[in-house]
Amino acid sequence: DAGVTQSPTHLIKTRGQQVTLRCSPKSGHDTVSWYQQALGQGPQFIFQYYEEEERQRGNFPDRFSGHQFPNYSSELNVNALLLGDSALYLCASSLVRGFTEAFFGQGTRLTVV
Amino acid sequence: DAKTTQPPSMDCAEGRAANLPCNHSTISGNEYVYWYRQIHSQGPQYIIHGLKNNETNEMASLIITEDRKSSTLILPHATLRDTAVYYCIVRVAGTGANNLFFGTGTRLTVIP
Repeated sequence: DAGVTQSPTHLIKTRGQQVTLRCSPKSGHDTVSWYQQALGQGPQFIFQYYEEEERQRGNFPDRFSGHQFPNYSSELNVNALLLGDSALYLCASSLVRGFTEAFFGQGTRLTVV
Repeated sequence: DAKTTQPPSMDCAEGRAANLPCNHSTISGNEYVYWYRQIHSQGPQYIIHGLKNNETNEMASLIITEDRKSSTLILPHATLRDTAVYYCIVRVAGTGANNLFFGTGTRLTVIP
């Protein structure tokens, strides 16, 4: 049973560019959440998707957007990249109902130069 | 969700028990205590959770004080592979991965 998979693992972008990160949730999970982890900090919640809609959002600007597909996979898009967007981006999946712990992917390391 | 306070770092000798404390004095009655850990360059991994009773699984034990204002995660026989950052999170159960507040955690170093 595959866990949460993210692609790509590493990415280098130039300031001002746009980037798309991808996540496939654990089999059977229907909810995907995205987190940003700056160096030396704990992960920070960006937003959560369920039934192809954004359900809750953390304190991130609207340069950060997302999408969830009918197969529950998800994308995170970041426009107009800033140097401060350099971070590890983590995807977590869970079930919206009932208790399940969150399963995290290995993350995508984004470097903005 | 209530916030937590953890020491920034701890050391533990290999083979000894590692006891990681967490203060959560503003925890609400319906909030659980969760522990996750993050090994370098990997995603966080769920360890254990509890409401008010002590809990044990194959990875660790969780001791919650009677007033629920603090807890301790115990790794009974620490190995080098347990070197990681450990996060204590309090939240309402059943909300999965939504809006977990990680803080900065405790960096545990297991020493040979």
